[in-house]
Amino acid sequence: DAGVIQSPRHEVTEMGQEVTLRCKPISGHNSLFWYRQTMMRGLELLIYFNNNVPIDDSGMPEDRFSAKMPNASFSTLKIQPSEPRDSAVYFCASSYPGLAYEQYFGPGTRLTVT
Amino acid sequence: KNQVEQSPQSLIILEGKNCTLQCNYTVSPFSNLRWYKQDTGRGPVSLTIMTFSENTKSNGRYTATLDADTKQSSLHITASQLSDSASYICVVSSDYKLSFGAGTTVTVRA
Repeated sequence: DAGVIQSPRHEVTEMGQEVTLRCKPISGHNSLFWYRQTMMRGLELLIYFNNNVPIDDSGMPEDRFSAKMPNASFSTLKIQPSEPRDSAVYFCASSYPGLAYEQYFGPGTRLTVT
Repeated sequence: KNQVEQSPQSLIILEGKNCTLQCNYTVSPFSNLRWYKQDTGRGPVSLTIMTFSENTKSNGRYTATLDADTKQSSLHITASQLSDSASYICVVSSDYKLSFGAGTTVTVRA
């Protein structure tokens, strides 16, 4: 298995632009997580899907952030409009259903908003 | 408020030595506690997951302990290697919520 796949690996964009991050979870995993990591705030859970349904989106910072999971093999995290304070590494992780199972993280997308 | 506190913030050890990292939490209700290892520039990798009834769990040279009564956990690294240099993150889950520690950065020197 290729593991969790994220694209792009690096993204540099200007303030105000739309950014879309993509994730392909491990086949057979029903739970998908989006995280953000910064030096100041550490690792934060943004949103958690189970069977393609958002279970907890309380970590989504504001309305500029949205996430979708149209099917079991694909998810997107969109930021529109982007701001410099959104600069961070965004990780996607997947697992078997629920929080009792090990989560497998992707390599992350390093986002820089100038 | 659910909180996870890790200590120390960072530590430096010589190759071959042992070290212990601490995690104290106030998360309630408690579902499980996990330790992650994160190498620089990589995603976190799970080391252990412990439920309420588990006191100790090992993964190679890594041994995690859990005291659910005092809400404390530790991660012990035995015979450290250069490859153990990383950030170690403690995460506690409560129902569908996850609470994260800030991590301990371990540097192993030859």
